Amino acid sequence: DAGVIQSPRHEVTEMGQEVTLRCKPISGHDYLFWYRQTMMRGLELLIYFNNNVPIDDSGMPEDRFSAKMPNASFSTLKIQPSEPRDSAVYFCASSFLRYGYTFGSGTRLTVV
Amino acid sequence: GENVEQHPSTLSVQEGDSAVIKCTYSDSASNYFPWYKQELGKRPQLIIDIRSNVGEKKDQRIAVTLNKTAKHFSLHITETQPEDSAVYFCAAREGGADGLTFGKGTHLIIQP
Repeated sequence: DAGVIQSPRHEVTEMGQEVTLRCKPISGHDYLFWYRQTMMRGLELLIYFNNNVPIDDSGMPEDRFSAKMPNASFSTLKIQPSEPRDSAVYFCASSFLRYGYTFGSGTRLTVV
Repeated sequence: GENVEQHPSTLSVQEGDSAVIKCTYSDSASNYFPWYKQELGKRPQLIIDIRSNVGEKKDQRIAVTLNKTAKHFSLHITETQPEDSAVYFCAAREGGADGLTFGKGTHLIIQP
């Protein structure tokens, strides 16, 4: 298996623009998580899905953030409009039965 | 929600010596405790995990211990090597929850 695949690896965008981050979980995994990593706040859980259904989005910082999982092999995290404080590394992770969470390589987002 | 405290934030040891990283958690119902290693610019990678019904687990030079009464768990690395240099994160999963709450990380430096 290729592991959790995220794209793009790097994204530089201007404030106010829409940003879409993509994730392909490991085949057969039933949970998908979106995390954000910054020096100040560490790794924060934003939202997660179980069998493609959003379960808890209480970590999503604002209404500017939204996430979808239209099928078992694809999820998106969208920020609209983006702001400089959204700059961070965004990780997607997947797991089977809530054990052995595997992270993707992350998307480094810079909003200028 | 769960709160995970991790100490120390930086740990420097001589090559060949042992390293110990400690974490405490707040939710007594937490039942799963993984440890991740993150090298600079890379994804967090699972190195060992322990469930609440086990007190200790070992995998070659790495071991994790769990004290449920005191609500703390520790990572032990013996015979440290240069490739052990990285940031290590502990995490806990609340009882009834699905996502992981992470500690702030420990930067482990192996001195030659």
